Amino acid sequence: QKEVEQNSGPLSVPEGAIASLNCTYSDRGSQSFFWYRQYSGKSPELIMSIYSNGDKEDGRFTAQLNKASQYVSLLIRDSQPSDSATYLCAVKDSNYQLIWGAGTKLIIKP
Amino acid sequence: KAGVTQTPRYLIKTRGQQVTLSCSPISGHRSVSWYQQTPGQGLQFLFEYFSETQRNKGNFPGRFSGRQFSNSRSEMNVSTLELGDSALYLCASSQPEGGLRNEQFFGPGTRLTVL
Repeated sequence: QKEVEQNSGPLSVPEGAIASLNCTYSDRGSQSFFWYRQYSGKSPELIMSIYSNGDKEDGRFTAQLNKASQYVSLLIRDSQPSDSATYLCAVKDSNYQLIWGAGTKLIIKP
Repeated sequence: KAGVTQTPRYLIKTRGQQVTLSCSPISGHRSVSWYQQTPGQGLQFLFEYFSETQRNKGNFPGRFSGRQFSNSRSEMNVSTLELGDSALYLCASSQPEGGLRNEQFFGPGTRLTVL
């Protein structure tokens, strides 16, 4: 059973600090990794995708991928209350199936 | 470019009834995936359609079915509704030609309540 695991949280971070969200996956052959943000009662919204080892930055968001250790993380710099949401990690495995984590609830405290 | 649209947005049904939900993907996207989301359960994959063919299927009973039309629009049907079918049903479209790199984009969802 291929799995994607995330800490369910809630992860509480002070406003202006860095929020760090982590995700591990079981299929070593996975090639594509995605982070989605989901506000309560809304649908998931794609934040970032990453395919190569290393860091990928987009504004205040940085995705980090380490295939050897089978984890992907999302850093949010200068966290804002509007970043409070559930963050979903999704991994496309070696069979092209998209496997979803259960999500981490992030709370940014003003 | 218009996003993924889903209709209806809200639906209230009673046990035993059936329901049909509709999804129109982003223009040019030919793959449509359906998910069920309930509180505490995360996203549960229902099925994926590409070129009018079901390409993948999740672990749901046969009461859940779907189809895709030649214009890539998709419908899902749930027959003999149960209380546990109350959930947010999400549709996501993607361009499968991108292979491993294709990203899924979600519609607003249909919130189904079964009484």
